[in-house]
Amino acid sequence: RKEVEQDPGPFNVPEGATVAFNCTYSNSASQSFFWYRQDCRKEPKLLMSVYSSGNEDGRFTAQLNRASQYISLLIRDSKLSDSATYLCVVRSNDYKLSFGAGTTVTVRA
Amino acid sequence: DAMVIQNPRYQVTQFGKPVTLSCSQTLNHNVMYWYQQKSSQAPKLLFHYYDKDFNNEADTPDNFQSRRPNTSFCFLDIRSPGLGDAAMYLCATSREGPREQNKETQYFGPGTRLLVL
Repeated sequence: RKEVEQDPGPFNVPEGATVAFNCTYSNSASQSFFWYRQDCRKEPKLLMSVYSSGNEDGRFTAQLNRASQYISLLIRDSKLSDSATYLCVVRSNDYKLSFGAGTTVTVRA
Repeated sequence: DAMVIQNPRYQVTQFGKPVTLSCSQTLNHNVMYWYQQKSSQAPKLLFHYYDKDFNNEADTPDNFQSRRPNTSFCFLDIRSPGLGDAAMYLCATSREGPREQNKETQYFGPGTRLLVL
């Protein structure tokens, strides 16, 4: 079983729509959680950390459910520039990160 | 103001011809990582340096080696590239230690895309 699993998508949504997707992680000892954004043929870039109480950053909302071991990302009022692959990333007791394979989001005009 | 720099951005090599990819950082982070990423896959950790200590992943082929001559620089050497080694190679850094309390994440360079002919 993979340490981090994501629905690969793609999620095709019109501009202005809300899109949400989850990832699950297998290691209950995981310490920290992140969403990264990766554009085609570019490097992953940190989008936001995910805190236990849930957190927002502009149009992006992240939630963590430790009991069920999943993390979610919601994007409101989607923009064309939100088209990317979103990587779910989990940090365990050591300092290594485990990456999901990514969820692809395509926002259309 | 690039913080993690990788050179070259694109590298073409021949089957079996050694190649070296470089990474430098201005963040003064004590840990540097090398990942391999193939299309539609998650980045795969090859190895990392925690300060001067080299840590290899169990499934990293012997064909891949690394050097870290100082805090700022780290190199990835592929001794005999095969066609299956064509990928994006990502360097990342982080600051780790007791004060960081396991909450730090990693910052990536732009990657080097390797093509093996």
